[in-house]
Amino acid sequence: AQSVTQLDSQVPVFEEAPVELRCNYSSSVSVYLFWYVQYPNQGLQLLLKYLSGSTLVKGINGFEAEFNKSQTSFHLRKPSVHISDTAEYFCAVGGSYIPTFGRGTSLIVHP
Amino acid sequence: DTGVSQNPRHKITKRGQNVTFRCDPISEHNRLYWYRQTLGQGPEFLTYFQNEAQLEKSRLLSDRFSAERPKGSFSTLEIQRTEQGDSAMYLCASSWDRGGSYEQYFGPGTRLTVT
Repeated sequence: AQSVTQLDSQVPVFEEAPVELRCNYSSSVSVYLFWYVQYPNQGLQLLLKYLSGSTLVKGINGFEAEFNKSQTSFHLRKPSVHISDTAEYFCAVGGSYIPTFGRGTSLIVHP
Repeated sequence: DTGVSQNPRHKITKRGQNVTFRCDPISEHNRLYWYRQTLGQGPEFLTYFQNEAQLEKSRLLSDRFSAERPKGSFSTLEIQRTEQGDSAMYLCASSWDRGGSYEQYFGPGTRLTVT
């Protein structure tokens, strides 16, 4: 069985400030972790993924995430956000071919 | 654009009617997934295909839901006797299961409203 908990439903932040979106997971099989972004009225787009290797993963649009096995976490970070980063962010775990998604975190960037 | 496409983008139907949605995956992808997404929730897995074989369908929400992928290319999701609780966004995604990438590419979704 696998599950994902996104600890914050909404994260407001000012433009150019750093941000961290938190994700904790559980899985009884090999762990593959993903962050997706969803802009209004669009499908999900992959930001980054962890399959193996380096625990620090870099993705698109300046985002990065760190896999922490002991804390079962995969938090998403960006050092300086832009207005255009306002969107819904989903963490997902997939140890098989069927991923499980979290409920999402709404990132709201204020000018 | 060779991304995943879904049609229609919006569907309004009356309770009790049947609806069918279509998904065209990225052409070289052999896996195709259907999800349901309700407001404030992440995508909820419904079913998936590898080529034309439906490998997992136990999570379809009820026997009113069915999916097909007859030639291993496009897929359809049908909901019979729709209920107001079926109102949601239905997402399709595709992937290529070789190389261990596990990355899914999502379409824009079909928004269903049952009145």
